[in-house]
Amino acid sequence: NAGVTQTPKFQVLKTGQSMTLQCAQDMNHNSMYWYRQDPGMGLRLIYYSASEGTTDKGEVPNGYNVSRLNKREFSLRLESAAPSQTSVYFCASSEGWTGTGLTGELFFGEGSRLTVL
Amino acid sequence: KNQVEQSPQSLIILEGKNCTLQCNYTVSPFSNLRWYKQDTGRGPVSLTIMTFSENTKSNGRYTATLDADTKQSSLHITASQLSDSASYICVVSAGGSYIPTFGRGTSLIVHP
Repeated sequence: NAGVTQTPKFQVLKTGQSMTLQCAQDMNHNSMYWYRQDPGMGLRLIYYSASEGTTDKGEVPNGYNVSRLNKREFSLRLESAAPSQTSVYFCASSEGWTGTGLTGELFFGEGSRLTVL
Repeated sequence: KNQVEQSPQSLIILEGKNCTLQCNYTVSPFSNLRWYKQDTGRGPVSLTIMTFSENTKSNGRYTATLDADTKQSSLHITASQLSDSASYICVVSAGGSYIPTFGRGTSLIVHP
């Protein structure tokens, strides 16, 4: 079972370069999320998509953009990378809203390790 | 503002020993609380889910408790193994919200 797949796993950028992190899930989940994880800070939400066709800002959206390409795919773009964006990025998905309410369980990818020089 | 606080920040124990991790939350309205395990270099994986009416739930050597009155949860690990070395993250979901609130995690190291 693939679950949530992120690409690339590792990336080194120079300040000012742009790149896109790709995420795809095969669980037919409605909601998808992008988090960043830094030492001592825990996981912080960048953007999320509650359902196909919608996206919303999270706690730390500055410097990022997202696209919910279809129900399976949710990409994160850095338009002009900065050293402060050096981090491990995690994509996650969840069922979202069901007939009995929000399920809450998040399924995570393996992470994308980004270094900005 | 919804918050989740975990303690201790880090913990070192010997293999075979028990330990307990704590989680205090101020999330309203409460929907559920999950404990996730994150191995080094991997994404977090859910261990247990606790809803309002549940006090205790076990998953093998992991036992989670919930006191909804005091808004506290604990994760007890019995007879620890080297493979238990990981970060344990408490995550609380509010009713009607798509955005769960994360604690910063407890880093557990199990020494042989």
